[in-house]
Amino acid sequence: GAVVSQHPSRVICKSGTSVKIECRSLDFQATTMFWYRQFPKQSLMLMATSNEGSKATYEQGVEKDKFLINHASLTLSTLTVTSAHPEDSSFYICSAINRLGGGNTEAFFGQGTRLTVV
Amino acid sequence: AQSVTQPDIHITVSEGASLELRCNYSYGATPYLFWYVQSPGQGLQLLLKYFSGDTLVQGIKGFEAEFKRSQSSFNLRKPSVHWSDAAEYFCAVGAGYGNKLVFGAGTILRVKS
Repeated sequence: GAVVSQHPSRVICKSGTSVKIECRSLDFQATTMFWYRQFPKQSLMLMATSNEGSKATYEQGVEKDKFLINHASLTLSTLTVTSAHPEDSSFYICSAINRLGGGNTEAFFGQGTRLTVV
Repeated sequence: AQSVTQPDIHITVSEGASLELRCNYSYGATPYLFWYVQSPGQGLQLLLKYFSGDTLVQGIKGFEAEFKRSQSSFNLRKPSVHWSDAAEYFCAVGAGYGNKLVFGAGTILRVKS
């Protein structure tokens, strides 16, 4: 299958700082990327959907000014957690698909990023 | 609203024994159902999916799942578990193959020798 790389895999940051997480599709063009968040012992929850070159669509309850998503190219989307607080500590994971050509396409997942805010 | 329930947080089976992981879903339309596996430090890997047709679907690594509409279930099975199957398994439902997914909480599988 296709490869999606997420970086960093782990990050620790101080409260009040911002941290950027990258999601790259290494061998295909990702027209759409999804960002999920996973709380301990809970489901992965969709945060937002980003289409290349467009503004991201955020799920209800997700603060778009806090979780900035950029999808400026067909191989890279970034999630920036701004003014991080301890409650933002979580596991963030992205998935990417290529909608070009129509039809059903599989979403490929990155390995996730463990964010700890101290 | 869509939801997925995986009742078992942890399951331990002996190597060579059979496995069944439970998944129940709530969805207003015809569901697209998925099972993913995640090993520590790894991304999610698709095991199998169901869209329509034969309700028993075969996946990779010897896994299969059966869609039962009357029970709103999509349980994952494997006849003989290998130690390498130890991982966390997620059931998910979506509106389509390339659409956003709603995940269950996951089931951690431990395999004892």
